[in-house]
Parts: sequence; C-alpha cells; structure tokens
Amino acid sequence: QSALTQPRSVSGSPGQSIAISCTGTSSDVGGYNYVSWYQQHPGKAPRLMIYDVTKRPSGVPDRFSGSKSGNTASLTISGLQAEDEADYYCCSNAGWYSIFGTGTKVTVL
Amino acid sequence: QVQVVQSGSELKKPGTSVKVSCKASGYTFTSYSMNWVRQAPGQGLEWMGWINSKTGKPTYAQGFTGRFVFSLDTSVSTAYLQIISLRAEDTAVYYCTRDGALATYDYWGQGTLVTVSS
Repeated sequence: QSALTQPRSVSGSPGQSIAISCTGTSSDVGGYNYVSWYQQHPGKAPRLMIYDVTKRPSGVPDRFSGSKSGNTASLTISGLQAEDEADYYCCSNAGWYSIFGTGTKVTVL
Repeated sequence: QVQVVQSGSELKKPGTSVKVSCKASGYTFTSYSMNWVRQAPGQGLEWMGWINSKTGKPTYAQGFTGRFVFSLDTSVSTAYLQIISLRAEDTAVYYCTRDGALATYDYWGQGTLVTVSS
C-alpha cells in the first residue's frame, strides 16, 4: 500500500493553468473511478475539491477539474488565484482500503 | 448543516494511551462510515482505516493494527480513536472524516494534535 505519486511542487502565475498528476497502479487509480482531490491550507483540515475523478462538490469553483487516464489522475486549476496556494492530495479507493498521494505544494507566483 | 467536531490537543507520555473523540451532527450518524487519517508533522495524509457506523465493525490499514482501536457510541453520534502504548512516532494530527461514498471524504473534523513526549 505505497502512497500514490505526486510531484512535490507546482507553481504558476495568477490567471495561468496548472495540472497536478497522481500516479498509481492498476490496483488503485487505474482500477477504480473513485479518485478524489483535497486542498489543505496550513494548519487547516483538508477540503474535498473533486470526487469520482471528475465531480465537483457544491461550492467548489469550476476552475477546478479532474480527469484520469490509465493509472494517472490529474487535477487542473484554471485561472490560478492567490487563494489556491495550498497543498493538494489525491486519494483513490483500492478495494477494501483507500490510499492518499504524497501531496503537492502549489505556489502562486 | 453537517458538522464534525473533535476533542482537543493531548500531551501524553510514552507508553500511555489516548482516546480522541469525533462528534458528528446534522445527518443520520449510522448512514455514513467514519474514517481516520493521520498527518505527522510536516508530512502528508495517511489513511488509517474506517469504522462502519451501522455495525461498528472496524477496518484497519496496514501499519495501524494492534495499537489503534476505532469505536463508536451511536447514542451520542460519536466515533473514537484510541491509541495504546504511545510512542514518539505517534505524534501527529489525527483527523476523522465522513465517507460520503467510496474514497469521498466530504466532511472533516478540525483535527486533534497528539504529542507524545517524555
């Protein structure tokens, strides 16, 4: 049950688009359409941003979108804003358990 | 509205135990499982396991068997995490989170910092 692999950091200027990858295996990301993404600001609890690969909960801006191809899921933030600076984690169902990604720090330049 | 509220920070000595509470409100407690997630200082999120709120059956992730115990008191809509024989490496923030569906953690407690130090 190794953590899903994410880039350590991603950065972009306000208004730009960035993408965060989340690579697993056919036993987790590739095997299920149950990938979710969480935003975490320092000292705060995580917040659900995307679930079931592409769905957005009520209240999450539509500049956040999710996708998946094979064993890799991605979170795209379009029109980057200062408040998007945070840590982001993917999570996948893998049968009887869940597994989180290693986390990505997003910096808004 | 849905709320999940955890108990406050704990400072414990090695070898002792701690019990963290997680009180839910705003929904039918037995309709959703409760999951536990650990975050060590400066580290990422780690899924610890879950407890079926209807049956009380716990499921533990690898690395969280033996010293970690999930339990419930459905009469007060509260889940508990007990850690036995605390070690320094158990120092972390522990979150409870409602599982809205498979790997969809839609509501989170504020986190409970457990510090283990002599």
